[in-house]
Amino acid sequence: DGGITQSPKYLFRKEGQNVTLSCEQNLNHDAMYWYRQDPGQGLRLIYYSQIVNDFQKGDIAEGYSVSREKKESFPLTVTSAQKNPTAFYLCASRSPRVTANYGYTFGSGTRLTVV
Amino acid sequence: QQQVKQSPQSLIVQKGGISIINCAYENTAFDYFPWYQQFPGKGPALLIAIRPDVSEKKEGRFTISFNKSAKQFSLHIMDSQPGDSATYFCAASSGNTPLVFGKGTRLSVIA
Repeated sequence: DGGITQSPKYLFRKEGQNVTLSCEQNLNHDAMYWYRQDPGQGLRLIYYSQIVNDFQKGDIAEGYSVSREKKESFPLTVTSAQKNPTAFYLCASRSPRVTANYGYTFGSGTRLTVV
Repeated sequence: QQQVKQSPQSLIVQKGGISIINCAYENTAFDYFPWYQQFPGKGPALLIAIRPDVSEKKEGRFTISFNKSAKQFSLHIMDSQPGDSATYFCAASSGNTPLVFGKGTRLSVIA
């Protein structure tokens, strides 16, 4: 089945530590996205990539970094510069706009907690 | 600046009733308006979407109504069921720009 796989499902980070969240898709989509979800805040865009080896900052990119070396993979690193990283992180990919089933497919998310 | 405003924040509906969630947008360049459904601990799933060339789209019990002049669109869930209890997000985008999401509505359908 085609889809998006996020791992791990739960992640705990110590103060001052960098952690990396994995996102893999087998949908052959060019565009991929990272969103952060906090209670009552909706989904806020962290980074996105329209094509391999290219990515753009979203609305809340500070304290985060990404890479897009392969079409299938778009990992997100939460750095120690992110002062409030506890949240639910969602990765998504987008089908081409010309397709009948145009839209975003989301992974099941990673819940990150600072301990 | 919040580009998509969603209301209400929470909604309680009796089983069999109609659930209505509203969204308003500011950017007139938006040309794609989806609704997503999210269950606890899961990622959002696309429910239904509309483009501004139509005023209404229906899929089963779910209907989007779109008012271009008022810059508003809404989700109607007919014959609401307990299994519809979830958080619903409206969103909007233009061209290939990333989706901008509303803050969500937590729907509870009670028997």
